[in-house]
Parts: sequence; C-alpha cells; structure tokens
Amino acid sequence: QVQLQESGPGLVKPSETLSLTCTVSGGSIGIYYWSWIRQPPGKGLEWIGYIYYTGGTNYHPSLKSRVTISLDTSKNQFSLRLNSVTAADTAKYYCARHWEYVSGWYVIDYWGQGTLVTVSS
Amino acid sequence: DIQMTQSPSSLSASVGDRVTITCRASQGISNSLAWYQQKPAKAPKLLLYAASRLGNGVPSRFSGSGSGTEYTLTISSLQPEDFATYYCQQYYNTPYTFGQGTKLEIK
Repeated sequence: QVQLQESGPGLVKPSETLSLTCTVSGGSIGIYYWSWIRQPPGKGLEWIGYIYYTGGTNYHPSLKSRVTISLDTSKNQFSLRLNSVTAADTAKYYCARHWEYVSGWYVIDYWGQGTLVTVSS
Repeated sequence: DIQMTQSPSSLSASVGDRVTITCRASQGISNSLAWYQQKPAKAPKLLLYAASRLGNGVPSRFSGSGSGTEYTLTISSLQPEDFATYYCQQYYNTPYTFGQGTKLEIK
C-alpha cells in the first residue's frame, strides 16, 4: 500500500520561502507523476504542479514564477518550494500520486494526509 | 484554464436517498474526469475516474456518467459514511482544475 507523508514548517513569514517534502513509502517513486495540491482553510482544491520521475515539471501558470518542484529518487521523496509567500498562500498542502490507467492518461489516486502551512509574521 | 462548475453547492439528504451531483466543464474534456470524496480534516479519496470507472475498494452504490462537458456522480442509496464533500476534477489539460465542491449533509 502506497503511503505519502508531507513534512515541513507549519509557519512561514511573509516574503519568505515555503519548503515541503513528501516521502513516498510502499512503492517506488519511478514511473509516476507526483503533484502538489493545496486547499486554503474552508475552501476548495488548487493544483500547484507536478513532477515526472524523469524530472520534467509542469506548474500552474498563476504560480509558475514562484514554484519549484524537485525529486530525490534515492530517498523516494519529492519537494515543493514556493517563494515570496503571502497570507494568500496559507493552506493545507497535499502531495499526491498520479496513476497512468491508460497510456497517456493520469489520475490522482493516492494523497498524503496534508500539512497546514500558515503564512504570518 | 478549464473551469469546472459543480451543482448544487450543498445538498441535504437522508440515509437511503438517491442523490446526484453535476459537474460542468467550460470545454469538452473527453471523459478525463475524476470524483473525490473528502471528509473533514482528511485527504480527498478517489471515487471514480475516466468519468465512470470505480476506484479501488469504492462501493458500487457510487456511479458516474456523462460525456463532453457534463458529468454526474450518483449515489444510489446514501449510507451514513457518505456524508462528506465531493469534488470533481478534470485532468484533460493542465492546469488541472477542481469544481468548488458539493457538501452533502444529513437531513
């Protein structure tokens, strides 16, 4: 059974960088896409971006200038960095796996439990 | 971006009821649609993908249908554990986008 676990600081100051890591257990990080998704308190879900096991990335256009997703296959981990954060970036951040159920089509099938990040001084 | 619009935003129903939630995409998404169930303070859980295929371990009372821009999630006979928030999501194009959610409450 694949499990994903987010880790990182729960409090980040405005203008600083939010950094989170997702550790994948119960399966290899290879051959899948891996995403970060966030959910502001009491609101809906927003996809941030994904990384493929080869290292290729795709980011939400609205966040692209501030986001970096990276991969460490030796540790079975992938990470999120979001620069220049503001209060609007306060959210629960989830890491998730995309499963290729048909060639070229990927659906998110596993999610981490999420970690709340608050942006405040 | 493809906009996903769910209706209704909230719904009150009783155990045993049949309920339907609708999701409309701003353009055709070729059945590249998933439905997720989220309970308070929990991660979303995959219910259906490719519009109508059941996720692993998902009870058969959940079903999905649709094509083009309009899709539905149906729960044939509500159980107590089904009261939650439901989201649709398109994965036809990036940025992947979600509906705003439908909160299903006990009547």
